[in-house]
Amino acid sequence: KNQVEQSPQSLIILEGKNCTLQCNYTVSPFSNLRWYKQDTGRGPVSLTIMTFSENTKSNGRYTATLDADTKQSSLHITASQLSDSASYICVVSPNAGGTSYGKLTFGQGTILTVHP
Amino acid sequence: KAGVTQTPRYLIKTRGQQVTLSCSPISGHRSVSWYQQTPGQGLQFLFEYFSETQRNKGNFPGRFSGRQFSNSRSEMNVSTLELGDSALYLCASSLVGGRDTQYFGPGTRLTVL
Repeated sequence: KNQVEQSPQSLIILEGKNCTLQCNYTVSPFSNLRWYKQDTGRGPVSLTIMTFSENTKSNGRYTATLDADTKQSSLHITASQLSDSASYICVVSPNAGGTSYGKLTFGQGTILTVHP
Repeated sequence: KAGVTQTPRYLIKTRGQQVTLSCSPISGHRSVSWYQQTPGQGLQFLFEYFSETQRNKGNFPGRFSGRQFSNSRSEMNVSTLELGDSALYLCASSLVGGRDTQYFGPGTRLTVL
């Protein structure tokens, strides 16, 4: 069964500190992995999309890494800000070369709280 | 460019009623997907439409249905509402789907009493 596990479930850090969120998946065959940020009461916003051939991708202070061999990904947030407080969701697609979102498997998300 | 819009933003219904939610994608986007988000189950895929055709469907009962119009706008309908249908319903659009970036709307918060 395709699964995406995220850890930790929740995390509290102080403003200015760095943090790393983890995502392990069993989805196969693998096509791409996405990280989304979802603020409370709003829709998710795409942070990064990586295919199996990409090891790292950055978007400002967000850097995602991918190890397709161990089926692990991480999202590193540098110099956290209060606005980083949100849920971070890892999503994996097994449709290699496909044009459909139908098989997306979602993680439960990590709730990040940044305190001043 | 305007983002994805969803209407209404909030909705309260009673068990047994039906509801229709609307989604207007970003101009030029032809793929529209719908998701249900609940605290217990997280995000779950409902269905995806592309050029007025349902391209994929998630594991939801037949009470959940949708359609897409020629202008790419989409609607989803839930008939015979149950308490468990209370959730945030999110719509997302992309150019053609697949590896394209999906842009989510703000969602419709449905409460079933």
